[in-house]
Amino acid sequence: QTVVTQEPSFSVSPGGTVTLTCGLSSGSVSTSYYPSWYQQTPGQAPRTLIYTTNTRSSGVPDRFSGSILGNKAALTITGAQADDESDYYCVLYVGSGIWVFGGGTKLTVL
Amino acid sequence: QVQLVESGGGVVQPGRSPRLSCAVSGFTFSNYAMHWVRQAPDKGLEWVAVIWYDGSNKYYADSVKGRFTISRDNSNNTLYLQMNSLRVEDTAVYYCARGVGATTRGSFDIWGQGTMVTVSS
Repeated sequence: QTVVTQEPSFSVSPGGTVTLTCGLSSGSVSTSYYPSWYQQTPGQAPRTLIYTTNTRSSGVPDRFSGSILGNKAALTITGAQADDESDYYCVLYVGSGIWVFGGGTKLTVL
Repeated sequence: QVQLVESGGGVVQPGRSPRLSCAVSGFTFSNYAMHWVRQAPDKGLEWVAVIWYDGSNKYYADSVKGRFTISRDNSNNTLYLQMNSLRVEDTAVYYCARGVGATTRGSFDIWGQGTMVTVSS
């Protein structure tokens, strides 16, 4: 069974830069996994930030960027703002039509 | 504008078989794969199922395979999730989401607001 790993929590200072990662319990993430990133605040539907590794969804500011860093997918937020404080989820295509979400990262801006 | 509106949620007894619907507008429904994603209370997101643009292929998470069926009606711009043999652990907000592209190899970009399904006796 494929497990997608994310940092449970992360903290960043206002104006700072943070990189969240998305890995596999076994193996390396590549563009073939079509990594995507979603932001969610409590009580709200997820919002798409990045899909297919590095394509920014419509209306998403360019402070958010996606990439592959080493053996993981990465979401980098530059110039963090207070309203970036949210849960962030990645999802990977693991083959045979199946997608698997990571457990999410709770980002604190302070 | 692009809109996805889920319906059909509520409180249901274990073992019952409700059907969720997702009515879409603002884009050509028949050009896109569609997904269901769920989120149990205070838990993370869980991918549930995907259906290709023409309904020819469907894939499911192991947790629902054999119990849930995803389908679509392209003439009425509606996505469905038939949920059979419901369990308490199926309690969640169910979101429909538009795929990035027509088949499986693109994640999801547009989300509905979700419909809550509570399985309880």
